[in-house]
Amino acid sequence: GGIITQTPKFLIGQEGQKLTLKCQQNFNHDTMYWYRQDSGKGLRLIYYSITENDLQKGDLSEGYDASREKKSSFSLTVTSAQKNEMAVFLCASSLRQGDYAEQFFGPGTRLTVL
Amino acid sequence: QQKVQQSPESLTVSEGAMASLNCTFSDRSSDNFRWYRQHSGKGLEVLVSIFSDGEKEEGSFTAHLNRASLHVFLHIREPQPSDSALYLCAVSRGNQGKLIFGQGTKLSIKP
Repeated sequence: GGIITQTPKFLIGQEGQKLTLKCQQNFNHDTMYWYRQDSGKGLRLIYYSITENDLQKGDLSEGYDASREKKSSFSLTVTSAQKNEMAVFLCASSLRQGDYAEQFFGPGTRLTVL
Repeated sequence: QQKVQQSPESLTVSEGAMASLNCTFSDRSSDNFRWYRQHSGKGLEVLVSIFSDGEKEEGSFTAHLNRASLHVFLHIREPQPSDSALYLCAVSRGNQGKLIFGQGTKLSIKP
């Protein structure tokens, strides 16, 4: 079995601040994803990456940057945090591209912007 | 654009009673349906995946898909308090389609 680790678990930032969230997986999966989860809403795809150094925009990419530094890690940057923003950011990975492939999820990073 | 809606928003059932959750989708060509569970502060755990009309059972979880009526249901047999969690439905079409998630049903199981 493998595991997905997300750091930090809780992130508190100030309005306008650039904030970075990190994700590591040891499944040796090719594809990694970043989702945003808001209370009362489903998960929305921000970015995904099908291999090292690849980036693909999801439905919610505006206001975010991502980086796939190596196969096992995928970072997400909030370029300018919005006041009163509160959401959980979930990282996932799958063996290959395509949604028939099972996605495995990390525990999430909870963001609060003051 | 695919729309996925879940009902009810929250549900409380007694321990041992059947729990039934509903998910409706808008694209009848969808062919990939998954139910996930998320305990508070944790990641998503896949419960059951279904790809064709009919039923699929995984332990105490049964998914029932009817694409003609645009519904996929999740039935939980004899739920325990540990099954209290947020349940999410996700739908896509084709191998390159993106998973579209519903907003979730918060399930509480009373001892």
